[in-house]
Amino acid sequence: ETGVTQSPTHLIKTRGQQVTLRCSSQSGHNTVSWYQQALGQGPQFIFQYYREEENGRGNFPPRFSGLQFPNYSSELNVNALELDDSALYLCASSPYQRQTYGYTFGSGTRLTVV
Amino acid sequence: GQQLNQSPQSMFIQEGEDVSMNCTSSSIFNTWLWYKQDPGEGPVLLIALYKAGELTSNGRLTAQFGITRKDSFLNISASIPSDVGIYFCAGQTGANNLFFGTGTRLTVIP
Repeated sequence: ETGVTQSPTHLIKTRGQQVTLRCSSQSGHNTVSWYQQALGQGPQFIFQYYREEENGRGNFPPRFSGLQFPNYSSELNVNALELDDSALYLCASSPYQRQTYGYTFGSGTRLTVV
Repeated sequence: GQQLNQSPQSMFIQEGEDVSMNCTSSSIFNTWLWYKQDPGEGPVLLIALYKAGELTSNGRLTAQFGITRKDSFLNISASIPSDVGIYFCAGQTGANNLFFGTGTRLTVIP
């Protein structure tokens, strides 16, 4: 069984640009959550997708948006990038909506905004 | 939002020593989780705790869910070099997201 895969692994963008990060969930998992991990910090919850709908959101502005597709893969979009958006973005999939202990994290996308 | 404080922030220990780290919160959680993160990787779940007072082991790892539901600790016995990494606690309320702690960086000296 394949795990969670994220792409790209690294990305450099300019302030004000837009970025799309991608995540393929683990086989059999229908829920995808996105986390932002700033350097030296723990991950912070951005939002979760279940059945292609946003199902919970952390304290992030609307310029952070997402999608989930019928095959359960997901995208994270960030508009009007700011320097503080530089971070490791982690995707986690789980088999059920609330089973966070079933989370499988991907290796992340390292985003640098310059 | 909920804030989880981990201590110590970092530890340097000799191989074979035991390790203890803890996590405290200003809020009550229904579930406590402990993760390990290696450089360039996502967090990997080590232990999950579901009831106040619960003590759970996974090999050389032992974790407890505090009675107040506001704290948890993780012990690692007989440390080995591959224990190196950052250890995070995480708490869950009834919602679908996790709140992570600030992390404890463990270095094991051979």
